[in-house]
Amino acid sequence: DTGVSQNPRHKITKRGQNVTFRCDPISEHNRLYWYRQTLGQGPEFLTYFQNEAQLEKSRLLSDRFSAERPKGSFSTLEIQRTEQGDSAMYLCASSPSRTGVGNNEQFFGPGTRLTVL
Amino acid sequence: GNSVTQMEGPVTLSEEAFLTINCTYTATGYPSLFWYVQYPGEGLQLLLKATKADDKGSNKGFEATYRKETTSFHLEKGSVQVSDSAVYFCALSATRGDTGRRALTFGSGTRLQVQP
Repeated sequence: DTGVSQNPRHKITKRGQNVTFRCDPISEHNRLYWYRQTLGQGPEFLTYFQNEAQLEKSRLLSDRFSAERPKGSFSTLEIQRTEQGDSAMYLCASSPSRTGVGNNEQFFGPGTRLTVL
Repeated sequence: GNSVTQMEGPVTLSEEAFLTINCTYTATGYPSLFWYVQYPGEGLQLLLKATKADDKGSNKGFEATYRKETTSFHLEKGSVQVSDSAVYFCALSATRGDTGRRALTFGSGTRLQVQP
């Protein structure tokens, strides 16, 4: 399968614990994005990498959240001291490096569903 | 800032009925517009896109036309099937430059239920 993969698919944790999610983008894509989706809402942007550089962060990304993309391949999203409000689906997407207006087609993974008890 | 507004669902139709899901947007610059679909238990899939005014995106019988004058990108299908039951998201990308802002801004989604 050559799509975007995410692990784990589901994570249940207790409030105050740290969690880490992994995303493997499509191999030839150098852009990688993280989004958060809560029930009944559309995805909300969290952060964006081009290769290993984190170029944009949303105000939603509080200081308890950190994302990395070492070597410009897979990415991890860590949430420290989880809160119940962090419960959501965390989506990863990737896109190719074509330039120009309109070339921002993003391919999404299946997501990691986080439940904080 | 950028925003996308979609009609609220659920939209319930009988098989072979005509579908319209309304989407309007506000954006700076000249955004690209997208429709994504999320089938039950699956991830978001790109359905179609349009990158400039008057462009028509189409795929799997679905169509949407980029209307700059009305800032709209309504999704249409002439004859829906049960297999089209899913949640549909309208989104925009107001990309600037090669390393500029690339986040997609999504609407809240519209659930479509097609009954046999």
